[in-house]
This record gives sequence, structure tokens and C-alpha cells, in this order.
Amino acid sequence: EVHLVQSGAEVTKPGTTLRISCKVSGYTFTDYYMHWVQQAPGKGLEWMGLIDPDDGETRHAEKLQGRVTMTADTSTDTAYMELSSLRSEDSAVYYCATGFCSRTSCYFEYWGQGTLVTVSS
Amino acid sequence: SSELTQEPAVSVALGQTVRITCQGDSLRIYYAAWYQQKPGQAPVLVIYGRNHRPSGIPDRFSGSSSGSTASLTITGAQAEDEADYYCNSRDSSGNLLLFGGGTKLTVL
Repeated sequence: EVHLVQSGAEVTKPGTTLRISCKVSGYTFTDYYMHWVQQAPGKGLEWMGLIDPDDGETRHAEKLQGRVTMTADTSTDTAYMELSSLRSEDSAVYYCATGFCSRTSCYFEYWGQGTLVTVSS
Repeated sequence: SSELTQEPAVSVALGQTVRITCQGDSLRIYYAAWYQQKPGQAPVLVIYGRNHRPSGIPDRFSGSSSGSTASLTITGAQAEDEADYYCNSRDSSGNLLLFGGGTKLTVL
């Protein structure tokens, strides 16, 4: 059975850097992209980016360019997402998610439980 | 285009059929996937690809596509189907992914 287990809730200050982890089990970590999704309070889902754990290739949503770093540790089957220069608008639930990507589609079958991040001075 | 557009809210009478749509230029090339999200929970994949349901998703959920519009149809809506529904797909470049803004489904 596939599991994605994320790190716990965080309260952090503006200007700092956030790091969330996502440990996977139940499948071969390097076989599928890991995606990160943001959901601000009362708002919709926003795709942040992905990492290919096999070769470390990343792609990010344009609005996050320069602030987000995604890494994958294949020795522990854990993905990480770092978001820097935090501001209040970054307060959100962050999800890791994985699934299958083909030439014609890309979908997320498995999700982490979400990590609530509060950015406040 | 780098957007997927959904109607913000839809309602359906218990037992009736409802269609939720997702519009975007990239849908002419790529399939949409659909997710159900209930308050306080992570999203759940309900439809992917041409019209596939993951294990455990009731067959009252189905998907279709025409031109730049993808649709999620619930045939015989149940009270437990009340939730937010999101579509997602690749953008027109194929390199990035998008979500629609979400549709709040109310079952009356």
C-alpha cells in the first residue's frame, strides 16, 4: 500500500525559509514524479512544481521561480520542498502528491496528509 | 493558454445527474484528471485519462472531453458527493501542470 507521510505543522516568521518533507513507502520512489501542491485557506489547489527523484530534474510554476527548491533523497525515499523569503500569503496547506505522467496526461493518485504552514510575525 | 476554468458552484438534487466542466486550451491536447476534496481532507482522484476510475471510486463518476472542455459527470448524485471538485492537466507547453479553480458541488 502506498503511503506519503509529511512532516508536521509549522509556524514561522516572514522572511525565513520553510522545509517540508514527504516520506514515501509502498512503491519505488524513483519510478514516479513527486509533485507539490499549495492550498491557501479557503482557496483552491495550486500546482507548485515537481521533481523526478530518478535524476533530480525539477520544474516549477512560474510564480514561484527563485523561491522554491525541490529535492529528493533516494537513500531515505523522502522528498523535500523548501520555500524561501516567506510572506504571509504563503500561509497554506502544502501537499506532496504522486501518480502517473504520460505523454497525454499527468495525474495524482496518492497524496500526503498535508502540512499546515502559518507565516506570522 | 495557461488556465483551466471551472464554474465556481453547481447544485444538484439528490439522485439526479450533474455535469461539472473544465475549460482550457491545453485540454485540446491533454486529458484532464478530476479530484474530489471534502473539508479538512486531502484531494481524492476520481477520474483520470480518457475516462478511468481508480479502484474504489463508484461508477456513477465518469469523465468526457470535447474540444477544449473536459467534463465530470455524476449520475445519480448522493449526499456524500457534496464536495469541491478540481480538474487538472498539463499546460499548453506540456511542461507544467495546472489546476482549475474548483467547483463547489451542493447536493440538495
